[in-house]
Amino acid sequence: GAGVSQSPRYKVAKRGQDVALRCDPISGHVSLFWYQQALGQGPEFLTYFQNEAQLDKSGLPSDRFFAERPEGSVSTLKIQRTQQEDSAVYLCASSLARYTSGIDEQFFGPGTRLTVL
Amino acid sequence: GDSVTQMEGPVTLSEEAFLTINCTYTATGYPSLFWYVQYPGEGLQLLLKATKADDKGSNKGFEATYRKETTSFHLEKGSVQVSDSAVYFCALPYSSASKIIFGSGTRLSIRP
Repeated sequence: GAGVSQSPRYKVAKRGQDVALRCDPISGHVSLFWYQQALGQGPEFLTYFQNEAQLDKSGLPSDRFFAERPEGSVSTLKIQRTQQEDSAVYLCASSLARYTSGIDEQFFGPGTRLTVL
Repeated sequence: GDSVTQMEGPVTLSEEAFLTINCTYTATGYPSLFWYVQYPGEGLQLLLKATKADDKGSNKGFEATYRKETTSFHLEKGSVQVSDSAVYFCALPYSSASKIIFGSGTRLSIRP
């Protein structure tokens, strides 16, 4: 069955370039999450959407990071003027329900590995 | 604030050995607790979960018991296999329940 897909799987950018990372959640999933995973660390929360509404963006590290989900399905994470410290794996996850109970499983994509030179 | 602390790796064991990966948490209230696993080249997968104190989550021979008194959720398996080699993450939903807080991960390698 179709899981969460992300593209590209690998992205190399020169410092200062803008990048766009795409996430296709599982069809019908209401909630969508973005996480950043630095090498050797656990994922860290970036932002959360419920349908098209961005309800929590408290984890975005700077105003260079922007995420959208305009039709409540596909989401794009955009990083402007990339810096070397942005190098990480960016994970997308989706969940069937509104994430209000804390027990609904999040299904993760394979991630996009971003390397900024 | 809420946090998760787990045993640092890497952990290397021989096949059929007993496994314990320690996890302790700090949280407001009594959240659900999760173990996620990341196999080489694959995305994170939920391994098991427990939703309230004294619950035991289990899957694929792994078990973890939600212990409120010690604020722990240690992962155990009686006899590991080479195919269990992966990175394991202990996690809990943040108090607002809009995100998951992950531990730093424990890399497990099993020797044949």
